[in-house]
Amino acid sequence: GAGVSQTPSNKVTEKGKYVELRCDPISGHTALYWYRQSLGQGPEFLIYFQGTGAADDSGLPNDRFFAVRPEGSVSTLKIQRTERGDSAVYLCASSPQGSDYGYTFGSGTRLTVV
Amino acid sequence: QKEVEQDPGPLSVPEGAIVSLNCTYSNSAFQYFMWYRQYSRKGPELLMYTYSSGNKEDGRFTAQVDKSSKYISLFIRDSQPSDSATYLCAMKGPGAGGTSYGKLTFGQGTILTVHP
Repeated sequence: GAGVSQTPSNKVTEKGKYVELRCDPISGHTALYWYRQSLGQGPEFLIYFQGTGAADDSGLPNDRFFAVRPEGSVSTLKIQRTERGDSAVYLCASSPQGSDYGYTFGSGTRLTVV
Repeated sequence: QKEVEQDPGPLSVPEGAIVSLNCTYSNSAFQYFMWYRQYSRKGPELLMYTYSSGNKEDGRFTAQVDKSSKYISLFIRDSQPSDSATYLCAMKGPGAGGTSYGKLTFGQGTILTVHP
């Protein structure tokens, strides 16, 4: 597609439930990033993939968070046993191989845990 | 202390004003500096990108980097109501293994309103 696509755009879930957030990057982009943005804050890094492998997952807050990119394109961010503090906008970005430039972001998934 | 500090504002200016947005940082490893614009309920959109000290101009926008002071700025000339958004500075160091990839570290964002 023309841009980074994220689904769903909004997700409301109950505390303790499991959720999956999907990111479809720009075709051909090998690098994919997940960020989390809380209200009134800048995005915070979670994880980035180079191809199928996680090159840096140092931003994942705890073991309830996990992300995969099995075929090097679409990625899924998975959150187990959701907590109210997980409520935020989850942003995905991608960039082409060898790019020195900034990344293209999707519009995000707004997750609300009630 | 956060690695990147940005005054959250909000900043309100009349149409046609010159706007100055600023960030300071503490990590001397940062090499790449970016400004993003974010409209409500949208993802950040890249405005400016630079990797050296000095000025870079693109239309009404000028990005300025002073690595010795660890200070970056974005200037908007002839501001328009359509410039009303949150402006985020972002930085990154060299990627692992000498690649250009790497995580971005963002400032908090400055909310700008340009009123007609």
